[in-house]
Amino acid sequence: AQSVAQPEDQVNVAEGNPLTVKCTYSVSGNPYLFWYVQYPNRGLQFLLKYITGDNLVKGSYGFEAEFNKSQTSFHLKKPSALVSDSALYFCAVRDNDYKLSFGAGTTVTVRA
Amino acid sequence: KAGVTQTPRYLIKTRGQQVTLSCSPISGHRSVSWYQQTPGQGLQFLFEYFSETQRNKGNFPGRFSGRQFSNSRSEMNVSTLELGDSALYLCASSLEGGLDTEAFFGQGTRLTVV
Repeated sequence: AQSVAQPEDQVNVAEGNPLTVKCTYSVSGNPYLFWYVQYPNRGLQFLLKYITGDNLVKGSYGFEAEFNKSQTSFHLKKPSALVSDSALYFCAVRDNDYKLSFGAGTTVTVRA
Repeated sequence: KAGVTQTPRYLIKTRGQQVTLSCSPISGHRSVSWYQQTPGQGLQFLFEYFSETQRNKGNFPGRFSGRQFSNSRSEMNVSTLELGDSALYLCASSLEGGLDTEAFFGQGTRLTVV
């Protein structure tokens, strides 16, 4: 089965600094990878996905992610973090049976 | 375009009761999936429906069931509620449910079992 891991429970950064949220994956076959963000008491919002092609994927709200096949990683990045980026971030992989398998999530806190 | 709509948003039930949650997908989307989110277990897949057929099922007891109607709307039912069923239940829809398609989530139904 496909799986993803988010090695950091929490990430703290100052506003204006670069933000990175880490994700590693384990798949057999082609990886279909996704990033979602969740604000308190809300559902998940889709940020971006990697299917194939360019290793740098651009998504919503200024986020991008870098796919690295040799390191089996799919890290989420934002060049300059905002306080409003504080939220819970999930990495996910689509299994061959169509379900999404999520990582445990990383809480991002951006301090003013 | 309206997003995924889940009703109700909040629900309080007593142990042993049953509950039905509803999900209206984005117009034109044929795949609907359900997830349970708890602080301890994170996001866990319940089941997925595509064109009224259950295509996949997670590792939940038979008390958890679902269905999808011809208009793609979906319901999930939990019978004989237990305290551990307290969770945020999220519904997601996607256009064709393919491996490369993103899923769009509703705001969830917060179920509390007392």
